[in-house]
Amino acid sequence: DQQVKQNSPSLSVQEGRISILNCDYTNSMFDYFLWYKKYPAEGPTFLISISSIKDKNEDGRFTVFLNKSAKHLSLHIVPSQPGDSAVYFCAARGGVYGGSQGNLIFGKGTKLSVKP
Amino acid sequence: DAGITQSPRHKVTETGTPVTLRCHQTENHRYMYWYRQDPGHGLRLIHYSYGVKDTDKGEVSDGYSVSRSKTEDFLLTLESATSSQTSVYFCAIRVSGGNEQFFGPGTRLTVL
Repeated sequence: DQQVKQNSPSLSVQEGRISILNCDYTNSMFDYFLWYKKYPAEGPTFLISISSIKDKNEDGRFTVFLNKSAKHLSLHIVPSQPGDSAVYFCAARGGVYGGSQGNLIFGKGTKLSVKP
Repeated sequence: DAGITQSPRHKVTETGTPVTLRCHQTENHRYMYWYRQDPGHGLRLIHYSYGVKDTDKGEVSDGYSVSRSKTEDFLLTLESATSSQTSVYFCAIRVSGGNEQFFGPGTRLTVL
């Protein structure tokens, strides 16, 4: 049973426009959410996070929104740049496997392509 | 840069052979993790460690064992490799009290 879902495997956006990546979760006990970016042949890189007690967190061009009632979070990238082209993973803290130890559960990822 | 290295970076092996992957960190972090990444599955937790000799299973632990005899090294062993274990393996650390995990560069393992 997938607890963190990224239903869009891919997204294509024009340079300068907004990219919106979505993530849904099923476990209301998750208390912290993170986004990672991954380039080919590299490890994932932490991008931005949000606590469940907040509904928005912003860091430069990146903003994460959390809607707890809908169990939904989204990552907004404005403006999108070609260097943002990567796979983006949503992750949530908690769950059966060491959730109390701070372990993360990851979604399957969304591949973002930003076209010049 | 969280000072994480993984070795080897690439390995090709045959079914039935034992394989050990090494994760090394330089900053004495308590928490260390092993994940595998496969197309259509994202990142899945194999095993994790919360201290020297303290390890536990993750979501996809069958066929894998781990050891942590010192803080800086976390070893992942495939006792008898199978083709289904062909994957990219990532090690990660977490700073105590923090929420983020920081990943190593990965090891691409191919089991023929």
